[in-house]
Amino acid sequence: QVQLVQSGSELKKPGASVKVSCKASGYTFSHYDIYWVRQAPGQGLEWMGWINTNIGNPTYAQGFTGRFVFSFDTHVTTAYLQISTLKAEDTAVYYCARDRDVLTGYFGYWGQGTLVTVSS
Amino acid sequence: EIVLTQSPGTLSLSPGERATLSCRASQSVNNNYLAWYQQKPGQAPRVLIYGASARATGIPDRFSGSGSGTDFTLTITRLEPEDFAVYYCQQYADSWTFGQGTKVEIK
Repeated sequence: QVQLVQSGSELKKPGASVKVSCKASGYTFSHYDIYWVRQAPGQGLEWMGWINTNIGNPTYAQGFTGRFVFSFDTHVTTAYLQISTLKAEDTAVYYCARDRDVLTGYFGYWGQGTLVTVSS
Repeated sequence: EIVLTQSPGTLSLSPGERATLSCRASQSVNNNYLAWYQQKPGQAPRVLIYGASARATGIPDRFSGSGSGTDFTLTITRLEPEDFAVYYCQQYADSWTFGQGTKVEIK
């Protein structure tokens, strides 16, 4: 069965960096894009962007350029979200997600979420 | 960017009642590429409806989606206790965006 398993919660100081992982299993990793979604405390869902796990070529939504980097390692079927120069407003749960079927466009599978807390 | 506006912000209803949630797009959503998600506290969202009206696998038939163009609706015919949650619409026709959510709470 398809699974996306994310890394555990992180507590970071302002200015530090964090790398969140999303381990995929149960399907051919390179056949499906990975999406990233942010949810600040008590707030709604915000699409951050996506990465083509076949050729790379990440796409970032407005507001997620510069300090946010999507990457992946096919050998370990894992996608990554790295955030640099962390700010308090980066405190949120970060989700990875996948299409339900190839190129369907809506998010049929989700990771369990990773809470990143930025605090001095 | 297509902006999605959901209403109401909060819906207070009793179990057994009908819930009607609205999602309005700032421009037409091509091919009705509009999905609805349910999110419970501490959980990841779960897709309920895609293509505006198709139920996802395993979703009970009390959930239905309708609409086209810029106006979409999620209807829950008879609320069960497990349906009290936050619901989001999402368009995937032109990049991806989410609405701000509607909370369905117990009255």
